[in-house]
Parts: sequence; structure tokens; C-alpha cells
Amino acid sequence: GAVVSQHPSWVICKSGTSVKIECRSLDFQATTMFWYRQFPKQSLMLMATSNEGSKATYEQGVEKDKFLINHASLTLSTLTVTSAHPEDSSFYICSARGDPVRTQYFGPGTRLTVL
Amino acid sequence: AQRVTQPEKLLSVFKGAPVELKCNYSYSGSPELFWYVQYSRQRLQLLLRHISRESIKGFTADLNKGETSFHLKKPFAQEEDSAMYYCALVSGGGADGLTFGKGTHLIIQP
Repeated sequence: GAVVSQHPSWVICKSGTSVKIECRSLDFQATTMFWYRQFPKQSLMLMATSNEGSKATYEQGVEKDKFLINHASLTLSTLTVTSAHPEDSSFYICSARGDPVRTQYFGPGTRLTVL
Repeated sequence: AQRVTQPEKLLSVFKGAPVELKCNYSYSGSPELFWYVQYSRQRLQLLLRHISRESIKGFTADLNKGETSFHLKKPFAQEEDSAMYYCALVSGGGADGLTFGKGTHLIIQP
């Protein structure tokens, strides 16, 4: 149990376009979902926390207008990278957590390459 | 601000030898500490959390508040333990995102 999926697993896009990444909890209801970013050979950095039905909370330095997060249901959160640029190329990983067990379960990640 | 430090990028030990992966943290309150593991080409998975005080796959970790450490230990390493290990903390108080260390790549040599 406690499986989290992400789609797509990798995406290549042109500079200036927008890309949407989906994060789904397959067998549990995720009251909270988290989005992380991982640069090559670096650790995961928390970008934002989203609770179902409310606005996401962004970490300092993360542009909320650039990284749009929607958590409209208990099983789906989306991250949209708007007007992507090459510096947005990274590995984006989501995690999901339900209640009462508060362990975070991680998705497999999405590799974004912006040309 | 909270911080997690894993001083070793790479740790190589022989099969059957003891393993200790170091983790130190800085946080003024009472954090919740975790160890996550990432095997090759797989997603991050939870290995241990300090509040449950359990042993998983032979690994244990004790929270030492005086030394602000949460080192991961295993008495006898196995080849299947080769993976990337991340120490992480949650600050609590409603801010539940994980703060990760940079990770230690553990290689178990036959």
C-alpha cells in the first residue's frame, strides 16, 4: 500500500512553454502533498506544501507564480511550471501524506528538461 | 533555520563490516528525524523514524539530543545495503515538509 505515482516520468519542452506534472496517491487519501526539487548530485529541496482544498504554502525563494500548485482532490496534486526556462530543468519529486499515519510516501520523480 | 548535515558523500565498507552513516542536525525545538533510502533506479523510501525506535533491515538510529545527532548504524553490512541514504527532519508545528541532508552514497564491497 501507500503508492504515489507521478506523470510524466520525463518531459522535454521548449523555453517559454508551460509544463504540468501530476502527482497521485493511488491507494490512500493524501491530505497533504509536498513538492521537492533535486538538482544533479544535490539533495532534495522542499518547494511547497499543499493541503487539499487550500492554497499551497511556498518555501522562501520559490516563485509561486512560476510554480503553480493545485491540490483539488485528496488523491491528486499538480505542479505547473509556467514559462519554463533552461534553469528550471531539474528532477521534481512529490510526496504524499495521509492521516493519521503521517509518513511521507514519495513518487518516482519527473525529469524536466527545458531546451 | 533547520539544517541537516551528512558529512560523508561516499562511504565504502566491506561486506560483514559495521556501518555508521553520520547525521547531525540543527534545530532549536524538538524535531522529528528520519532516514530515507534510495536504491538504484528506485524512489525514496522511508527506512527509519526516530519516534518509532524500531530496527529495519538491521539498521538502527538513536537520537542524541545533546550531540544533535541521528547516526544510522548496522553491525554487519550486506551487499544489498548499497544505496543512497538521506537523513531528514521535520520541524513540526505545522511545517511538515522535510529538510534533507545531502545524502551519503553507501557502497558495500564483496
